Amino acid sequence: KAGVTQTPRYLIKTRGQQVTLSCSPISGHRSVSWYQQTPGQGLQFLFEYFSETQRNKGNFPGRFSGRQFSNSRSEMNVSTLELGDSALYLCASSSSRGNYGYTFGSGTRLTVV
Amino acid sequence: QQPVQSPQAVILREGEDAVINCSSSKALYSVHWYRQKHGEAPVFLMILLKGGEQKGHEKISASFNEKKQQSSLYLTASQLSYSGTYFCGTENSGNTPLVFGKGTRLSVIA
Repeated sequence: KAGVTQTPRYLIKTRGQQVTLSCSPISGHRSVSWYQQTPGQGLQFLFEYFSETQRNKGNFPGRFSGRQFSNSRSEMNVSTLELGDSALYLCASSSSRGNYGYTFGSGTRLTVV
Repeated sequence: QQPVQSPQAVILREGEDAVINCSSSKALYSVHWYRQKHGEAPVFLMILLKGGEQKGHEKISASFNEKKQQSSLYLTASQLSYSGTYFCGTENSGNTPLVFGKGTRLSVIA
């Protein structure tokens, strides 16, 4: 079956702009989580959605937001981009919590210049 | 609460064994282990649940000590394909997010 699909794969944006990243989970998976990966900090948790509801939110500023649609696809938005937002943004889906692992997408590489 | 992994990096020769540790300051509900190769997405290896048993297959296994809030990943008779960064992820309850450690970079050389 198809894996987790993230689009776009690469993005270059200018400081102050905003960006929207998309994630399509594995068919049937209702849980979607987002992570920011940088060399120094590893995988930092951003949000978790389940059935269109944000279940958890990480310690990121309000410039970072997200949502999940009825088909479980998810988007995250970053407004007023800063240089420090440059990172690999990974989305992961799961069929349910607790008993199964997460399947990650290949990520979106965001570069802010 | 981000779990702490150790060591940060390790270099092995093919056939050698390695242990990667993951510890938390809070009670754990589950521990996940993932491996990420350079330029690729993290790949799920296994999950250990509170009250569960040690998991794994012949050469990669893991344990979960609930009292000490620790987990260890065991790689035996390492192969070149084992190279990558290993992450542990922890959940403190069934409702808290999966939070990852900073990773352990494992390099297996011939």
